[in-house]
Amino acid sequence: AQTVTQSQPEMSVQEAETVTLSCTYDTSENNYYLFWYKQPPSRQMILVIRQEAYKQQNATENRFSVNFQKAAKSFSLKISDSQLGDTAMYFCAFIASGTYKYIFGTGTRLKVLA
Amino acid sequence: DSGVTQTPKHLITATGQRVTLRCSPRSGDLSVYWYQQSLDQGLQFLIQYYNGEERAKGNILERFSAQQFPDLHSELNLSSLELGDSALYFCASSVGSGAGNTIYFGEGSWLTVV
Repeated sequence: AQTVTQSQPEMSVQEAETVTLSCTYDTSENNYYLFWYKQPPSRQMILVIRQEAYKQQNATENRFSVNFQKAAKSFSLKISDSQLGDTAMYFCAFIASGTYKYIFGTGTRLKVLA
Repeated sequence: DSGVTQTPKHLITATGQRVTLRCSPRSGDLSVYWYQQSLDQGLQFLIQYYNGEERAKGNILERFSAQQFPDLHSELNLSSLELGDSALYFCASSVGSGAGNTIYFGEGSWLTVV
C-alpha cells in the first residue's frame, strides 16, 4: 500500500526567509505523480505545485520549488522569500499511474512570522 | 476560485438526521471526488465518480452515499448523522480519471452535527 509521510507537524519561518517542508512516500510503482497543496485559514485547498515522476527536472512555480529525489522517495517543498500569506497547512499528495486514488499526507502547519 | 462549486457552505444539523451536499465540477471536468477532513486532520478519500460511474471508493461509511448525475454535478448524502461526522467535506474535480489529472478543490461544506 502506498503511504505519504510528512514528519513535520509544525514549522515557522521569518518573513523573507526560505523554508523547506519535507515529504516522503512509499510505493513500488515507477510511474506516479506528486503534488503539494496549500490550505490557508480559509480552509480552501489550493494546488501549489505538481511533479511527474518520469521527469528528472524539479518543478518550479515562482517562489515555490521542489526537490524530487526518486530513489530516496522524497519530495520536499521549498518556499523562498516567505510571505505572510504563505501561512497555511501544506499537504503532500501522491497518486500512482493507472490508479484513481490520491493519497494525502497529514500536513505541515507553516507559520510565517513578521 | 477553482471553478468547483459546493453548497451549502455551512450546515448545522442534529444527530440522526440526513443531509445532502452538492457539488458542481469545473466546466469540462468529468471526474468528481469527495473528501472528508475532520478537525486538524488530513483528507480522507471517500469516493470518486467519472462521467456518472463510480470509479474508486475509499473509507466511505455505509451511512454515506453519493452519485453523479448526467449533468455531471454530484451529491453526497449523509444519513443517521453522528457527532463524529462533523467535518469539512470537500468536493474536487478533474478532467479525466486517475493519475495525471490534477484535481481542483471546492471551498468545502462545513457540517456540524449537534
